[in-house]
Amino acid sequence: QKEVEQDPGPLSVPEGAIVSLNCTYSNSAFQYFMWYRQYSRKGPELLMYTYSSGNKEDGRFTAQVDKSSKYISLFIRDSQPSDSATYLCAMSAGSTGGGNKLTFGTGTQLKVEL
Amino acid sequence: NAGVTQTPKFRVLKTGQSMTLLCAQDMNHEYMYWYRQDPGMGLRLIHYSVGEGTTAKGEVPDGYNVSRLKKQNFLLGLESAAPSQTSVYFCASSYPFRGVHQETQYFGPGTRLLVL
Repeated sequence: QKEVEQDPGPLSVPEGAIVSLNCTYSNSAFQYFMWYRQYSRKGPELLMYTYSSGNKEDGRFTAQVDKSSKYISLFIRDSQPSDSATYLCAMSAGSTGGGNKLTFGTGTQLKVEL
Repeated sequence: NAGVTQTPKFRVLKTGQSMTLLCAQDMNHEYMYWYRQDPGMGLRLIHYSVGEGTTAKGEVPDGYNVSRLKKQNFLLGLESAAPSQTSVYFCASSYPFRGVHQETQYFGPGTRLLVL
């Protein structure tokens, strides 16, 4: 079983829809949670970052972490065609001096249709 | 600033050939990483470095070697390429971990490698 599980999709939604993307994990040591966005043939770029449990909002994006359920979510409101990309969740237990090693999900491919 | 750059963008190798992938960053980051990305497997860490002259193994290090002779450069070598090393390779860099702040990893554009 992988440490981080993510539905690969593809997920297709109409423009303006609310999108929900999710990951589950098994390592209870994870306390840093990130969402990266990756456009086709590009490198991943950090979208949202959350420490421990709770919610974080940034414009149309909201990240939620439920450590008790080992479940994280990314919500995209008023989705736009420009949001079409692969969304990767990533997690870390943190490290002092040993590299900020991340464990990634496999990514969910999202397509927002006009 | 160019951020993180990778050379080459695309390469085709025959089994048994060797090559070196170059990663350069101009953000003065201490930490650098090499990942490979395969369908259904996500990003997996190959090797990483926490500073000039240091390297360490990640999740999938076999068949690869790395060197960090200069702070801004991180090289990934394949001594004898195998078809199983066909993948997209990403380099990333970041500042060191700072307690409660997990530093952002900045990724390069990737190198597509095909081993025949």
